[in-house]
Amino acid sequence: EIVMTQFPATLSVSPGERATVSCRAGQRINNKLAWYQQKPGQGPRLLIYDVSTRATGIPDRFSGSGSGTEFTLSISSLRSEDFAVYYCLQYSNWPFTFGPGTKADIK
Amino acid sequence: EVQLVQSGGGLVQPGGSLRLSCAASGLTLRNNWMHWVRQAPGKGLVWVSRISGDGRTASYADSVKGRFTISRDDARNTLYLQMSSLRAEDTAVYYCTRNLGDNWGQGILVTVSS
Repeated sequence: EIVMTQFPATLSVSPGERATVSCRAGQRINNKLAWYQQKPGQGPRLLIYDVSTRATGIPDRFSGSGSGTEFTLSISSLRSEDFAVYYCLQYSNWPFTFGPGTKADIK
Repeated sequence: EVQLVQSGGGLVQPGGSLRLSCAASGLTLRNNWMHWVRQAPGKGLVWVSRISGDGRTASYADSVKGRFTISRDDARNTLYLQMSSLRAEDTAVYYCTRNLGDNWGQGILVTVSS
């Protein structure tokens, strides 16, 4: 099983600031990396797949980058609706595995 | 519009069984990989199981292998997760999803407790 690590666990950001979430895979995952956003009481929402491709309807302030085992989700200017938990997922090898999550909260 | 509507959750005793359903509209399940993902209270997301579009391939997380079975009824366009020998640690909100992409069910709570 590929272990996914995320950091930081919590990200305190002011609205309008840039936020960066990192995700590290235990081995190379052939760029099969997605990012999800989850708000309290809601299901996950796909933001990014294949490292850097935005899902349908996702605003361009969300971007993904990285390769090999190191990946990053960036939010260029946080809005109030972006305060949520963010998860990375590898779908290169099964069992697919999620990172533990990064909570973005208001500073 | 694609919709995945889940049902079948609830309270069950340890060692018991439960079947979750995920009724699809706006898409044909046999053309898609379908997955189950769960989330224990206050915890992160965990992938549970998947089934291929042709129904020939089913995969499971080690934690549920031998206890859970994923299946599909093409006539009803419905995905299932049959859960048996349930344990307290199976308590979670369960989500069905099309290919871990844009379409997710609303989530349904399974509580395993005496």
